[in-house]
Amino acid sequence: GQNIDQPTEMTATEGAIVQINCTYQTSGFNGLFWYQQHAGEAPTFLSYNVLDGLEEKGRFSSFLSRSKGYSYLLLKELQMKDSASYLCAVSGNRDDKIIFGKGTRLHILP
Amino acid sequence: DSGVTQTPKHLITATGQRVTLRCSPRSGDLSVYWYQQSLDQGLQFLIQYYNGEERAKGNILERFSAQQFPDLHSELNLSSLELGDSALYFCASSEGDGGRGNTIYFGEGSWLTVV
Repeated sequence: GQNIDQPTEMTATEGAIVQINCTYQTSGFNGLFWYQQHAGEAPTFLSYNVLDGLEEKGRFSSFLSRSKGYSYLLLKELQMKDSASYLCAVSGNRDDKIIFGKGTRLHILP
Repeated sequence: DSGVTQTPKHLITATGQRVTLRCSPRSGDLSVYWYQQSLDQGLQFLIQYYNGEERAKGNILERFSAQQFPDLHSELNLSSLELGDSALYFCASSEGDGGRGNTIYFGEGSWLTVV
């Protein structure tokens, strides 16, 4: 089966740095996605990792360790608009479906 | 705007009824995915189609069915609706079959309320 775990909620302060962790257990692995979702809106793509290591894209970075089944999303210089849910998703290679974790709701305090 | 179009945006219907949700993928995308998102649940994968054929199936109820047409648009049919089917239904699309790192892009969703 497939299982993706991430914290339910996190709180951080505007201007700070926050790390959202994701662990996964899947039958096969093609890659890991991070999406951002504001309440009631569509998820939007943030990053995709297939190889171990850190991928940096502006204020957002995503890290992957395939051997540990672990990823994190790092958000720097937090802004109020970053208040959203962050979804970790894994693509397995057995049937190509992309499975999402339940998401981490991030609250940004002024 | 992701380029994925879903209709209707909002729908209110009674228990026992049947509804059809429609999705047009981004231009050039061959895969269409359907997800259900309830208030206390994450995105639940329902089903995926690739170039007209069913590619992967998730926890889709027998009361639900979907298809992808030759023009690549897709429809999700929900029948014998129950109160618990109230949710936000997302359609997403990708260029390839999804499992090879093709990013999936989501539509704005269809809010279904069953009363």
